[in-house]
Amino acid sequence: GQQVMQIPQYQHVQEGEDFTTYCNSSTTLSNIQWYKQRPGGHPVFLIQLVKSGEVKKQKRLTFQFGEAKKNSSLHITATQTTDVGTYFCAGYAGGTSYGKLTFGQGTILTVHP
Amino acid sequence: DAGVTQSPTHLIKTRGQHVTLRCSPISGHKSVSWYQQVLGQGPQFIFQYYEKEERGRGNFPDRFSARQFPNYSSELNVNALLLGDSALYLCASSRTGASNQPQHFGDGTRLSIL
Repeated sequence: GQQVMQIPQYQHVQEGEDFTTYCNSSTTLSNIQWYKQRPGGHPVFLIQLVKSGEVKKQKRLTFQFGEAKKNSSLHITATQTTDVGTYFCAGYAGGTSYGKLTFGQGTILTVHP
Repeated sequence: DAGVTQSPTHLIKTRGQHVTLRCSPISGHKSVSWYQQVLGQGPQFIFQYYEKEERGRGNFPDRFSARQFPNYSSELNVNALLLGDSALYLCASSRTGASNQPQHFGDGTRLSIL
């Protein structure tokens, strides 16, 4: 079945440093979504990418979708302590996998002030 | 508007028992999905319901079942509980369940099996 892998599993940065997490799918995706889960909280939707090679920005966050629609990345510029949490990518394969959003295992980001 | 609400917040059960978890979607949302999140892992898809019909099912045994009611709320039932069923169970809603829509998650039910 479809698998979504994320690296790294953990990332510790000093406040002000940049952060990147990478997401790879075993199958071509129809779209990919990114979520953030704060400690003790629930996943919160950040963004969706649909088109091959798409790049979207939200303030200090930059999201990319690969040309083959099998990989994606999230880059945070100049991290802040409010960025702490686990970042998940989640992909839809489409077709018969209707409704099945497959999550990666997440990257846990800690930011030291 | 209220977000997705789930009950109970926490639940402790013993092996072999059954459990029912409940979810109320955001007003206007007709699709509800259920996820299991084991500590340190991403949410794993269990079911999606739209207009009371099951639209998708993940790789979970038949001990897991769900249903959606006319008011779009949903229940997840798990029978013959195993220790491995201990997890955070998340409910998410969206307007139609189409793949291009974001999932809005509730705070989850923390299920512990003794």
